[in-house]
Amino acid sequence: DQQVKQNSPSLSVQEGRISILNCDYTNSMFDYFLWYKKYPAEGPTFLISISSIKDKNEDGRFTVFLNKSAKHLSLHIVPSQPGDSAVYFCAAARGSSNTGKLIFGQGTTLQVKP
Amino acid sequence: DGGITQSPKYLFRKEGQNVTLSCEQNLNHDAMYWYRQDPGQGLRLIYYSQIVNDFQKGDIAEGYSVSREKKESFPLTVTSAQKNPTAFYLCASSMLSTGNSPLHFGNGTRLTVT
Repeated sequence: DQQVKQNSPSLSVQEGRISILNCDYTNSMFDYFLWYKKYPAEGPTFLISISSIKDKNEDGRFTVFLNKSAKHLSLHIVPSQPGDSAVYFCAAARGSSNTGKLIFGQGTTLQVKP
Repeated sequence: DGGITQSPKYLFRKEGQNVTLSCEQNLNHDAMYWYRQDPGQGLRLIYYSQIVNDFQKGDIAEGYSVSREKKESFPLTVTSAQKNPTAFYLCASSMLSTGNSPLHFGNGTRLTVT
């Protein structure tokens, strides 16, 4: 039972344009969501997070939007840069004390073309 | 520089042998975690520990064992009982006392069992 889904395995975007990565979840008990970025043969690095009490969180070029009624979140990268090319994982958790017990999506590979 | 060190980066074993993956952190984090990544899948939680000498099973603990004798160290043993041990293993840590603290990951160990 896949509680967190990233339905697009890959995304290709031109440099300077917007990248939009999507994530859906099924468990309404999730109240904290994160995005991680992963390069090959490395561990994931934390990008940005959002609590369920918010619907938007911004950090530089990265913005995460949360639509609780649709159980959907998205990561926007503007403008996209070639260095953003990586695998992006969304993850969800229940309760702040459980933020290490994350449920991850399958990942979306983003390619930003120069 | 603070961080999480996983060793070795690549590990090869024959079927039927137990193997131990090392994970050390100098971030003074309370909690440590082991995740497994398979191709096309998200990360899945194997075991986690929030305090020394205590640990809990994650979603896929069968065939694995852990110990937490020191705050800095959380080794994972892949036993011969694990049916599909070949995978990319990621260790992570987080602070528990600061609410929603994101995970910090090591660079992983790729285990191949033949």
